[in-house]
Amino acid sequence: DAGVIQSPRHEVTEMGQEVTLRCKPISGHNSLFWYRQTMMRGLELLIYFNNNVPIDDSGMPEDRFSAKMPNASFSTLKIQPSEPRDSAVYFCASSLRSGATDTQYFGPGTRLTVL
Amino acid sequence: DAKTTQPNSMESNEEEPVHLPCNHSTISGTDYIHWYRQLPSQGPEYVIHGLTSNVNNRMASLAIAEDRKSSTLILHRATLRDAAVYYCILRASGGTSYGKLTFGQGTILTVHP
Repeated sequence: DAGVIQSPRHEVTEMGQEVTLRCKPISGHNSLFWYRQTMMRGLELLIYFNNNVPIDDSGMPEDRFSAKMPNASFSTLKIQPSEPRDSAVYFCASSLRSGATDTQYFGPGTRLTVL
Repeated sequence: DAKTTQPNSMESNEEEPVHLPCNHSTISGTDYIHWYRQLPSQGPEYVIHGLTSNVNNRMASLAIAEDRKSSTLILHRATLRDAAVYYCILRASGGTSYGKLTFGQGTILTVHP
């Protein structure tokens, strides 16, 4: 299995631009998670989906952030408009389910720089 | 959410055992203890998890105190590839935090050749 696939791996954009991050989970996994990692705040859960349905988006910082999962093999995290403070590494993870014993498999991340 | 406390950093020599401690004095009876690690420039990866009994897998061992207020991740023979940030995480098996992975600051493990 190819693991969780994220694209792009690096993104540099200017403040005010729209940014779309993409994730392909492991085939057969029913849960998908988006995380953000910064030096100041560490790794934070932004949102997660079960069976393509958003379950908990309490970690989404503000209305500029939105996430979708149109089907079981694809998810996007969009930032519009982007701001310099959004600069971070964004990780996508998937798991078979979202229970307390289900292993989450992380992708390589997308490093976002907003100038 | 129940919290964990880990040392900020630890050092080890290659091929020696490493014991990474974690305190979780407010753990509830149904919280699972998970360990993930993050190698440089990579996403986190699962290491091991347990509930009450000690656990072993190909990567590591997890020793859980009888009162469950602390645990220790054991790398039996550290290699340079084990240099990473190790996260001890409590995962709730119920309630609003069900299944969530809440990462703390972790322990930075340095392995010397």
